[in-house]
Amino acid sequence: DTAVSQTPKYLVTQMGNDKSIKCEQNLGHDTMYWYKQDSKKFLKIMFSYNNKELIINETVPNRFSPKSPDKAHLNLHINSLELGDSAVYFCASSQVSGSYEQYFGPGTRLTVT
Amino acid sequence: AQSVTQLDSHVSVSEGTPVLLRCNYSSSYSPSLFWYVQHPNKGLQLLLKYTSAATLVKGINGFEAEFKKSETSFHLTKPSAHMSDAAEYFCVVSDSWGKFQFGAGTQVVVTP
Repeated sequence: DTAVSQTPKYLVTQMGNDKSIKCEQNLGHDTMYWYKQDSKKFLKIMFSYNNKELIINETVPNRFSPKSPDKAHLNLHINSLELGDSAVYFCASSQVSGSYEQYFGPGTRLTVT
Repeated sequence: AQSVTQLDSHVSVSEGTPVLLRCNYSSSYSPSLFWYVQHPNKGLQLLLKYTSAATLVKGINGFEAEFKKSETSFHLTKPSAHMSDAAEYFCVVSDSWGKFQFGAGTQVVVTP
């Protein structure tokens, strides 16, 4: 059973489009995260939700909007996609918020043309 | 503020020889530190973590790391490299909110 899953695995779209990435965890964790990994493999946190409440919101363009319908799901919606949004997006979860290990999904490779 | 510096962007080792990946951190309080591994086109897998217990931490696949407060270091080692260890390795420092700060990564190449 996959602990943290993401869909889709690959996403190719044109500039200006709106797209969503979905994440689900079956670990019973309270906290979920979105990370962006750029072409140089650098990873940066974007958002974190604890039990459906936003607790970390980094300096991310407001074209990016996370939504957590329940604590097992955290989706990422991106409006008006730009070339610079091309990256791999990782979802992660941890038991609770705090300095606990995080479990990562397989990633979604987004390519904006 | 906290940060982490991985001192080598690329490490090449022969199979069967030791691996050393260096990481220095900066934190205004007692940090939580992690090492993650990322194989090509895969997600990140936790190797080990330090959370103010024993300073020598053992992880999966024969890896271990030593927390040295005086040197602000958390270097990762393995006595004998295997071909399957070829991957990208990330050192991470976490704040009390779970905000992970990743190092830039070290790519490990293992030659036969």
